[in-house]
Amino acid sequence: GAVVSQHPSWVICKSGTSVKIECRSLDFQATTMFWYRQFPKQSLMLMATSNEGSKATYEQGVEKDKFLINHASLTLSTLTVTSAHPEDSSFYICSARDPLSGANVLTFGAGSRLTVL
Amino acid sequence: GDSVTQMEGPVTLSEEAFLTINCTYTATGYPSLFWYVQYPGEGLQLLLKATKADDKGSNKGFEATYRKETTSFHLEKGSVQVSDSAVYFCALSSASGNTPLVFGKGTRLSVIA
Repeated sequence: GAVVSQHPSWVICKSGTSVKIECRSLDFQATTMFWYRQFPKQSLMLMATSNEGSKATYEQGVEKDKFLINHASLTLSTLTVTSAHPEDSSFYICSARDPLSGANVLTFGAGSRLTVL
Repeated sequence: GDSVTQMEGPVTLSEEAFLTINCTYTATGYPSLFWYVQYPGEGLQLLLKATKADDKGSNKGFEATYRKETTSFHLEKGSVQVSDSAVYFCALSSASGNTPLVFGKGTRLSVIA
């Protein structure tokens, strides 16, 4: 089945630094990937839709200059948290849809837990 | 807009108890409905799905039936195990094409031996 891989799984960084999270579709091509953010014991909040070869579409309230998304190829999208601060600490999860799977099923990566000190 | 409402947790059950997690939705058209499960420290995994009214999704002993008349997709399992302890998310996708899912807030289930 469809597999989405995220890296890194865990990252700890100092306040003010930037962190890049990669999301790869391993066995299918994804023209669109979705980035979600999850706070402790809460639901997933859609941050942005990443589109291969074009600009990402951000949800209301998400700072595009803070969360840079680049969808460089049909199998890779990256999320860069720029000038990270402790309030950016969260669980970031990407997802993509295998176009051959049908039924609108989204496959999720295992998530990347960011801790900003 | 589209929305999903789940029963609030946490839910604590003894092993072999019956589980029901309620989920209702608001959407335009005819959405596809999903249950995802998140085990501690992990991402989300698809548990089951239903794409049209009266469809029943099932997997690993879990079931949910798409009820258009009550706009519901309640998750059930006849006999839970400790390994079922996780957070369960109800979700919908109301549009065709490559669109994101709308999630409920999640329900944390703890099963004790």
